[in-house]
Amino acid sequence: GAGVSQSPSNKVTEKGKDVELRCDPISGHTALYWYRQRLGQGLEFLIYFQGNSAPDKSGLPSDRFSAERTGESVSTLTIQRTQQEDSAVYLCASSLTLGLAGVHNEQFFGPGTRLTVL
Amino acid sequence: LAKTTQPISMDSYEGQEVNITCSHNNIATNDYITWYQQFPSQGPRFIIQGYKTKVTNEVASLFIPADRKSSTLSLPRVSLSDTAVYYCLVGDGPSGGYQKVTFGTGTKLQVIP
Repeated sequence: GAGVSQSPSNKVTEKGKDVELRCDPISGHTALYWYRQRLGQGLEFLIYFQGNSAPDKSGLPSDRFSAERTGESVSTLTIQRTQQEDSAVYLCASSLTLGLAGVHNEQFFGPGTRLTVL
Repeated sequence: LAKTTQPISMDSYEGQEVNITCSHNNIATNDYITWYQQFPSQGPRFIIQGYKTKVTNEVASLFIPADRKSSTLSLPRVSLSDTAVYYCLVGDGPSGGYQKVTFGTGTKLQVIP
């Protein structure tokens, strides 16, 4: 079946512009996550969505970052007034659910969007 | 306070067994231990998960001692295609759970011909 897809695969933008990144999770997956990975670094949690519950936005680095998800489908991550330090690969993942306390439900990752801010 | 500690990098020759150890001294009682693998220019991929003792699948084995303060990922007879970054994860919440997972910097394994 289809995996997690993300678009665009690459995005080059100028400092100060807004960008919107899209994620299509695996059908039936209620949990969706966004991560940021800077070059040579680990994955930095940004936000997760679980069904119709309020998303956990505690990982968003500033108020320039926001994310939305429509039901249990597509999600968009928006970065306003981009800065050069926003340059990174943005990864989206989905899982069946968040998992019960202590249990990690396998996350399936998309190929990522490479964002370059000039 | 870091949830997990792993070596930054490891080198191994093809055909050897590779063991990557992860320390998680503050693991919560109900937390599982999970490992992911990330190839260059790809998202991470789930490898294995366990709670205690030993778990084995077609890719790797996971050894967890009784105190669960560490775990060891074992890759048998590595090949060049096993060159990747390996991440060890435990729960992020104060009482466990994986709501806000931090992958850290992982262990970069370089397999040498």
